[in-house]
Amino acid sequence: NAGVTQTPKFQVLKTGQSMTLQCAQDMNHNSMYWYRQDPGMGLRLIYYSASEGTTDKGEVPNGYNVSRLNKREFSLRLESAAPSQTSVYFCASNRAGQGPMNTEAFFGQGTRLTVV
Amino acid sequence: AQSVAQPEDQVNVAEGNPLTVKCTYSVSGNPYLFWYVQYPNRGLQFLLKYITGDNLVKGSYGFEAEFNKSQTSFHLKKPSALVSDSALYFCAVREYNNAGNMLTFGGGTRLMVKP
Repeated sequence: NAGVTQTPKFQVLKTGQSMTLQCAQDMNHNSMYWYRQDPGMGLRLIYYSASEGTTDKGEVPNGYNVSRLNKREFSLRLESAAPSQTSVYFCASNRAGQGPMNTEAFFGQGTRLTVV
Repeated sequence: AQSVAQPEDQVNVAEGNPLTVKCTYSVSGNPYLFWYVQYPNRGLQFLLKYITGDNLVKGSYGFEAEFNKSQTSFHLKKPSALVSDSALYFCAVREYNNAGNMLTFGGGTRLMVKP
């Protein structure tokens, strides 16, 4: 009964380093999302994948890339980390569709990233 | 573009009193509306949703929300607050015809329930 699993839970990077945040869901959801949460700003969408094989930019995509590896996995990559990317990152998934087919999003536990 | 507003950064209420956390939204079509709760150092947990049907939606932990199309609001309510309800609450919207399936969140409202 894992739901959405994110790794790692914590990470400290130096400016300019790269890293990939991993996310996997076991609920057979078609849509997956990456958000960042900053104090006083709620959750802002970085990238999303409406279905396997597609990805689209959200509100704050600059400095990030994503890969929808398969239906289960959706990774977020920081190619050259900057202090402004210090945040808590959440992965989410849902079954998106029309009417009752549209389910709520399920969230992972988050990755707390600090860039120094 | 769709948007969500939570006009109150913080709501304070005494234990046993009713609580309301406000949310208004803006979409061009029909909305899907959601409420989530976040406890410290945790991910978001789903509370309730409005997709279609009755305007009054009941959810987890005794919470309910009323969809008001004319006022474009989806306020979260509970008849009797508990100290354990203290947390950060987020309202979210997805437009019915949004092929991109994007969920847009409000800025969050911190609920403080005092004994």
